[in-house]
Amino acid sequence: DTAVSQTPKYLVTQMGNDKSIKCEQNLGHDTMYWYKQDSKKFLKIMFSYNNKELIINETVPNRFSPKSPDKAHLNLHINSLELGDSAVYFCASSQYGRGGGQYFGPGTRLTVT
Amino acid sequence: EDKVVQSPLSLVVHEGDTVTLNCSYEVTNFRSLLWYKQEKKAPTFLFMLTSSGIEKKSGRLSSILDKKELSSILNITATQTGDSAIYLCAVEKTSYDKVIFGPGTSLSVIP
Repeated sequence: DTAVSQTPKYLVTQMGNDKSIKCEQNLGHDTMYWYKQDSKKFLKIMFSYNNKELIINETVPNRFSPKSPDKAHLNLHINSLELGDSAVYFCASSQYGRGGGQYFGPGTRLTVT
Repeated sequence: EDKVVQSPLSLVVHEGDTVTLNCSYEVTNFRSLLWYKQEKKAPTFLFMLTSSGIEKKSGRLSSILDKKELSSILNITATQTGDSAIYLCAVEKTSYDKVIFGPGTSLSVIP
């Protein structure tokens, strides 16, 4: 049983396009996150939602818009893709306030050409 | 600004060696320090440390936190090629459960 799943796993697209990445968790967690891992492997938080409410919104271009239709899903939509958006995007989930870190999805490797 | 630093950034050892990975942090509203292992895909959880001086152990891996020195070490004894990975140190804050990751230590174990 996959705990945190993301689709697609790979995404190759051209500059200027709009794309979405989907994330689902079946752990019953109430908090979900999006992280970006760049080519230097630095993992940096972008957004966090708790029970569908945005609670962490880091300094990220407003071309990135997260959407949480329910607490088991957190999607990431990116408008007008740029070369610098190429990275691996990880979704993660946790139970708010319990501590112990987060469970990560397998990642989506986005390549913008 | 919150910061997590790891050293070394990369390390090459021979099978059977013992390695020590270092992590230091400057983070407000500290809750816990986390270690993750990242091979080709997603980071997988290794340890959570909340109290100073108490060693956590899992097989050949062990870790300890020093809250006075704001640091932690991860030890791997009798390394194997399967230990080759990036080891990420992270600090979890009490505020919004935010997790700040360090840059990682890339460990390569050669036969």
